[in-house]
Amino acid sequence: DGGITQSPKYLFRKEGQNVTLSCEQNLNHDAMYWYRQDPGQGLRLIYYSQIVNDFQKGDIAEGYSVSREKKESFPLTVTSAQKNPTAFYLCASSRGLAGGPMGEQFFGPGTRLTVL
Amino acid sequence: KQEVTQIPAALSVPEGENLVLNCSFTDSAIYNLQWFRQDPGKGLTSLLLIQSSQREQTSGRLNASLDKSSGRSTLYIAASQPGDSATYLCAVSLSGTASKLTFGTGTRLQVTL
Repeated sequence: DGGITQSPKYLFRKEGQNVTLSCEQNLNHDAMYWYRQDPGQGLRLIYYSQIVNDFQKGDIAEGYSVSREKKESFPLTVTSAQKNPTAFYLCASSRGLAGGPMGEQFFGPGTRLTVL
Repeated sequence: KQEVTQIPAALSVPEGENLVLNCSFTDSAIYNLQWFRQDPGKGLTSLLLIQSSQREQTSGRLNASLDKSSGRSTLYIAASQPGDSATYLCAVSLSGTASKLTFGTGTRLQVTL
């Protein structure tokens, strides 16, 4: 089955710790994205990557970092610099650019991060 | 800056009713408009994608229309069922941009028995 997996489903972090959220896709998609979802707000883009070894900041990148060493994988690290990290994090992928004919995005099941 | 609005924020209908969900956007230079469904605590499921050159798309009981010039899209659900209860999100991408979808805050739908 093709799809996007995220792990863990739930994650608890103490203040001052860095944590890494995993995102893997076997859809052979070039583009991958990380979004953050907070109650009452639309999804907001954190980082995106069009191809391997390349990634760009989204609207709310401060306090986050990513890597794209393999086409299938796009892990997100939430650093201690992120002031309010408690949220639901969603990973997505698409065959091509969001603003192009192959831009349909598909989402993983999400990771809920809670800071204790 | 693109803004996407969905009204109403919540809707409750009895089973069997046909219903319409609304989405409006401020910048008409969109390339794609995508409708998603989200169940509580879950990821998003893509329902329909309409490209800017299209006026509507259909999948089963769902029909999405797009009027780019007026900045509006509607999602029509026919013969609603309790299993349709979820939050429905619309999102748009601007032409030529690599980066992102801009999302509305969603309409929470409850279909009652």
